[in-house]
Amino acid sequence: DADVTQTPRNRITKTGKRIMLECSQTKGHDRMYWYRQDPGLGLRLIYYSFDVKDINKGEISDGYSVSRQAQAKFSLSLESAIPNQTALYFCATSRSSGRQETQYFGPGTRLLVL
Amino acid sequence: LAKTTQPISMDSYEGQEVNITCSHNNIATNDYITWYQQFPSQGPRFIIQGYKTKVTNEVASLFIPADRKSSTLSLPRVSLSDTAVYYCLVGALGGNFNKFYFGSGTKLNVKP
Repeated sequence: DADVTQTPRNRITKTGKRIMLECSQTKGHDRMYWYRQDPGLGLRLIYYSFDVKDINKGEISDGYSVSRQAQAKFSLSLESAIPNQTALYFCATSRSSGRQETQYFGPGTRLLVL
Repeated sequence: LAKTTQPISMDSYEGQEVNITCSHNNIATNDYITWYQQFPSQGPRFIIQGYKTKVTNEVASLFIPADRKSSTLSLPRVSLSDTAVYYCLVGALGGNFNKFYFGSGTKLNVKP
């Protein structure tokens, strides 16, 4: 969905390096999420944010940090990358509603940690 | 925890109707059921959402029995382009992060 963009789309880095993945959205949604997906597996939630001042840990937050710079921007950082963080990373957005909200996903960032 | 159970994979042929069932025995009163579709190397895409009985849109139908402990996604007359992984999610606004549990999904393979 072009309304949710992720940069970079592909990244190769070395063990111990700090890297940042960025997500921007033009959908006007208040909620943003970061997931990782390993080959053949489903998505696992890393962090989520319900508004600019709200940050919550997901299922697998260890080794990651996030920053919600604005309603439209949500960045994921790997402070010291390790090989088992090699994965496909997705950003998603949603609007709070009276039911389970629909999430809109970005195109993904493929990360390889050597 | 409203986690879900789905078949790992399914095979079908073009033109057939495909039904994928999801079990969610611990569904809560306020939980909705949502299905997503994911193609390789792309983010999941919303297909359909429901609370009870039957919901239909332009791409699929969702059948939910009265006890709501399972749901069935029905794809009419599938084509090769429907080959994808399908995820069933259960959750509600105000729940904990487990409402975003995607699980491993069901890999649907449509053959010519």
